[in-house]
Amino acid sequence: NAGVTQTPKFQVLKTGQSMTLQCAQDMNHEYMSWYRQDPGMGLRLIHYSVGAGITDQGEVPNGYNVSRSTTEDFPLRLLSAAPSQTSVYFCASSYITGTSGTGELFFGEGSRLTVL
Amino acid sequence: GQQLNQSPQSMFIQEGEDVSMNCTSSSIFNTWLWYKQEPGEGPVLLIALYKAGELTSNGRLTAQFGITRKDSFLNISASIPSDVGIYFCAGPSGGSNYKLTFGKGTLLTVNP
Repeated sequence: NAGVTQTPKFQVLKTGQSMTLQCAQDMNHEYMSWYRQDPGMGLRLIHYSVGAGITDQGEVPNGYNVSRSTTEDFPLRLLSAAPSQTSVYFCASSYITGTSGTGELFFGEGSRLTVL
Repeated sequence: GQQLNQSPQSMFIQEGEDVSMNCTSSSIFNTWLWYKQEPGEGPVLLIALYKAGELTSNGRLTAQFGITRKDSFLNISASIPSDVGIYFCAGPSGGSNYKLTFGKGTLLTVNP
């Protein structure tokens, strides 16, 4: 059971370049989300999805796009990378039980992105 | 939006010492969660609290859900080197238990 798989683990971009961070989970979780982690800032929610075809913005969505075409995959797209997007990105997923889950998010190992 | 204030920001302790950290919220939470992140990994859930006043243990870790529902505490007894990492408190955002807001974390270093 692989859990939550993120690729790539490391990436260096130049300002203005675009790229997609991939996230896949094999636990049949309805909920998937993307966080970014910056020193001293904790984890901040970028975008999330409660099921295929449904996405919504989190706390820091600007500069990022997402889509959810399948239950398993939730890619994060940077259309025009900026140095302020240098960060470690985490994908996380969870069950949704009724109208709420248990609070246990399962995280991937992270993708470290540097924008020059 | 909801804000979680976590303290201390960092701790440097000797092996065998006990550790306490806490988290306060600007609003009432129905759930408090504590996660640990080890270097190079994603956070992992340690303890979940669902009821005001609840005290829950997981080995040497004990967490409490404050009776005001605006705070929570995590204690680690008899620390060991593998306790190093960043500890995050988290709570539900927007009424759901899966969309979480995280504190800024407490970095714990244990000196053998």
